[in-house]
Amino acid sequence: EAGVAQSPRYKIIEKRQSVAFWCNPISGHATLYWYQQILGQGPKLLIQFQNNGVVDDSQLPKDRFSAERLKGVDSTLKIQPAKLEDSAVYLCASSPRTTSSYEQYFGPGTRLTVT
Amino acid sequence: AQTVTQSQPEMSVQEAETVTLSCTYDTSESDYYLFWYKQPPSRQMILVIRQEAYKQQNATENRFSVNFQKAAKSFSLKISDSQLGDAAMYFCAYRRGSTSGTYKYIFGTGTRLKVLA
Repeated sequence: EAGVAQSPRYKIIEKRQSVAFWCNPISGHATLYWYQQILGQGPKLLIQFQNNGVVDDSQLPKDRFSAERLKGVDSTLKIQPAKLEDSAVYLCASSPRTTSSYEQYFGPGTRLTVT
Repeated sequence: AQTVTQSQPEMSVQEAETVTLSCTYDTSESDYYLFWYKQPPSRQMILVIRQEAYKQQNATENRFSVNFQKAAKSFSLKISDSQLGDAAMYFCAYRRGSTSGTYKYIFGTGTRLKVLA
């Protein structure tokens, strides 16, 4: 089966600009996660979707970050306006539908550099 | 709140030797899962091994095994017969049990493993 797809792989923007990332999870996976991974740190959950509903967005900086998952399939994460501290790798992951399943499958990530 | 701590920023091991990566965690819950993920330089994170907290037996996957000490809240990863392809960042992660509503994962800061030829 195809893995989690993300685009773009790399993005360089200036501060105060806007940027959007796209994620297509594995087919049939109900749960989708967006993580922020700053260099030298572990991934930090930004938002979790179950189908097209938000389950957890407690660590999402809502004044500048937004995310949506229309039709419960692919998802976009947007930053507007970007700050220098947003430079990081943004990882998307998905999990299967059943509640007993607990494995995440990660995409390759998008490396964002804010100058 | 749950926390995951990896106290070894970097480890080195000779090819074919054994290395152990440490992880401790803090939680007040009894139902949870623990994971080790590997992140090679290409960045795609892959699952190495998982452990259910209710299982006393330590998980094993080929050359990878864990030492799960529930009372001490310790979850170390042992890699036997290390290979050059094992070089990567290794992250320890915690996840609540499925009865808790959300499946939020909490990751440690990672250990960079170098394998010396």
